[in-house]
Amino acid sequence: GAGVSQSPSNKVTEKGKDVELRCDPISGHTALYWYRQRLGQGLEFLIYFQGNSAPDKSGLPSDRFSAERTGESVSTLTIQRTQQEDSAVYLCASSLVGTANYGYTFGSGTRLTVV
Amino acid sequence: AQSVTQPDIHITVSEGASLELRCNYSYGATPYLFWYVQSPGQGLQLLLKYFSGDTLVQGIKGFEAEFKRSQSSFNLRKPSVHWSDAAEYFCAVGADTGGFKTIFGAGTRLFVKA
Repeated sequence: GAGVSQSPSNKVTEKGKDVELRCDPISGHTALYWYRQRLGQGLEFLIYFQGNSAPDKSGLPSDRFSAERTGESVSTLTIQRTQQEDSAVYLCASSLVGTANYGYTFGSGTRLTVV
Repeated sequence: AQSVTQPDIHITVSEGASLELRCNYSYGATPYLFWYVQSPGQGLQLLLKYFSGDTLVQGIKGFEAEFKRSQSSFNLRKPSVHWSDAAEYFCAVGADTGGFKTIFGAGTRLFVKA
């Protein structure tokens, strides 16, 4: 597509429920990233996918968080047994290749509220 | 590991005045440096990037940034601020370290007064 698309744009869920967030990157972008942005804070790296390589999961905060990506297309971030501290905007970004000198194109994010 | 510091949480400038947003990074080799802008309710947009060559880089919307290796800084500047520049600005550093991820600063919120 023309840009990075994320859905849903907003999600309110009850504590303890599972949620699934979706990211559709720009067509042809081999690298895909997930970040979390808590209110008033910077971006926190979660996970990075590059082509068919094993993902870099070093930023996932707990085993309740997982992510998958099918080939070089859609990615889903799943949060199990949500907690109130999971409330944040979850941002997805993609880039043409997974090297440091390429800037990212970000989606508009999914605002997750856990009540 | 790389890190980024943006010392100013928020800055207020008058419309038409000049702007400088500070960014300091920590990385053992030559970093790749970026500035992103996040307008209210919108995603992040890349303003400019540096990875080699001329240390003064030009970006979109009239912004520029200067890489100073001796000071480990990559400050963002604009000679005349417009009200539409009010937003959150993030400095970021990227590095090819086997895997790759970009580390973002905590952001500086810019307020523009009439």
